[in-house]
Amino acid sequence: AQSVTQPDIHITVSEGASLELRCNYSYGATPYLFWYVQSPGQGLQLLLKYFSGDTLVQGIKGFEAEFKRSQSSFNLRKPSVHWSDAAEYFCAVGAYSWGKLQFGAGTQVVVTP
Amino acid sequence: EAGVTQFPSHSVIEKGQTVTLRCDPISGHDNLYWYRRVMGKEIKFLLHFVKESKQDESGMPNNRFLAERTGGTYSTLKVQPAELEDSGVYFCASSQGNTGALDGYTFGSGTRLTVV
Repeated sequence: AQSVTQPDIHITVSEGASLELRCNYSYGATPYLFWYVQSPGQGLQLLLKYFSGDTLVQGIKGFEAEFKRSQSSFNLRKPSVHWSDAAEYFCAVGAYSWGKLQFGAGTQVVVTP
Repeated sequence: EAGVTQFPSHSVIEKGQTVTLRCDPISGHDNLYWYRRVMGKEIKFLLHFVKESKQDESGMPNNRFLAERTGGTYSTLKVQPAELEDSGVYFCASSQGNTGALDGYTFGSGTRLTVV
C-alpha cells in the first residue's frame, strides 16, 4: 500500500541552528513530491516540489530538499532557522502529474530563542 | 492573481445541523480538490473535480457529504446532518490542466468546522 511517513511529530530547534525534517514514502514508481508549510492561522503554502531532474531542489524561504531514490526519502533542510519558521510542515506525494496527494502526518517545528 | 478562497473561515454548528462550505479556485483551474484534516490526524483527500465532473470521490467518508461544482467554477461541500466526528479543517486546492503537479497545487486557507 502507498504511504507517506514523517517520523518526527514534533521538533524543537534553536534559532540559527540547522533543521532537517524527514519524509519517507512507499510508492511503486518515482512519485511527485512536495513539501508544504502551514503557519498558525494560515493555509498550506508550497515550499518546493520534485518530479524529475536534479535531486536537490531549492524552494522558498531558504529551504531545500533532497530526493534519494535508494532510500525512498525526500528530506527537507534549512541551514539556519529563523523564528518565523515555526510552523507545521507536511510532506505530500502524488502518483501522477495531476490528481490527489497523500500527506504525511506533519511535523510541528518549534523555534526557541 | 487571486488565490484559492474558502469561506467561511470558521463555522460552529450543532450536531444534526447542516453546513455548506464553499471554495473558489484560481480562475481557469479545471482541477479542484477537497481535503480534510481531523484533529490530530493527517490531511486526507476527499474528492477531485475536473471542471464540473467528479473525477475521484474515493475519499468521501459517507453519504452525509455532498460536493458540487456547478458550471465548473466554485465548489460547495455540504455536510448534512453534521456529526461530532466531522469536526476538522477542510482545505480546498486547485490546479491547472493535466500537469498541475508541475506547478504545485494551490491551497486555500481552509474552513475550520466545529460540530458541538
